[in-house]
Amino acid sequence: EVQLVESGGGLVQPGGSLRLSCAASTFTFSSYWMSWVRQAPGKGLEWVANINQDGSAIYYVDSVKGRFTISRDNAKSSLYLQMHGLRAEDTAVYYCARDSSGDRSAWYYFDYWGQGTLVTVSS
Amino acid sequence: DIQMTQSPSSVSASVGDRVTITCRASQGIKWLIWYQQKPGKAPNLLIYGASSLQSGGPSRFSGSGSGTDFGTDFTLTISSLQPEDFATYYCQQADRLPLTFGGGTRVEIK
Repeated sequence: EVQLVESGGGLVQPGGSLRLSCAASTFTFSSYWMSWVRQAPGKGLEWVANINQDGSAIYYVDSVKGRFTISRDNAKSSLYLQMHGLRAEDTAVYYCARDSSGDRSAWYYFDYWGQGTLVTVSS
Repeated sequence: DIQMTQSPSSVSASVGDRVTITCRASQGIKWLIWYQQKPGKAPNLLIYGASSLQSGGPSRFSGSGSGTDFGTDFTLTISSLQPEDFATYYCQQADRLPLTFGGGTRVEIK
């Protein structure tokens, strides 16, 4: 069974930084586009960023551009989200999610999700 | 950005009821996705391409919408609500970035 396990969440002050990790297992990680999707407490889902198989194509939602950086290490089957300049509105559960396509092109929807890691931005 | 609007935001229904949820896109799309999310859990893929049931998904779930053409109005139908179906349902457009989701529809027990 495909497994995605996020870690790195926690409480951080406004303006602070945090790095999230997602460890993937039981599938060929290097074959898939990957995304981060977040969900503020009691709210809906918001796509944050995605990255292609070799990291040469990366996209972000406008609200995090210039503050967040998505990256991956295929040798470690891991996905990362480096977050700087955190704001209260970044408070959310952050999920890593696998794109349903195992091909060069993304299909832009997600067949497997991790359990999420909570990021709380507060003083 | 493509805006996704779901209605209703919540619905109360009984086991065995037929439930229909609507999702409207602000511009024509082809790839409409439905997820189910239970409290404290990650979303689970239900329907892709507006009407294709994800492998392992119960056949009481069905989706309709644009078919092969671009469209703006899509529906998710649960033909006979089961106890395990009480959850929140989200639509998502998969046509273009940024990917966007509807606000969710909570299906509650009447």
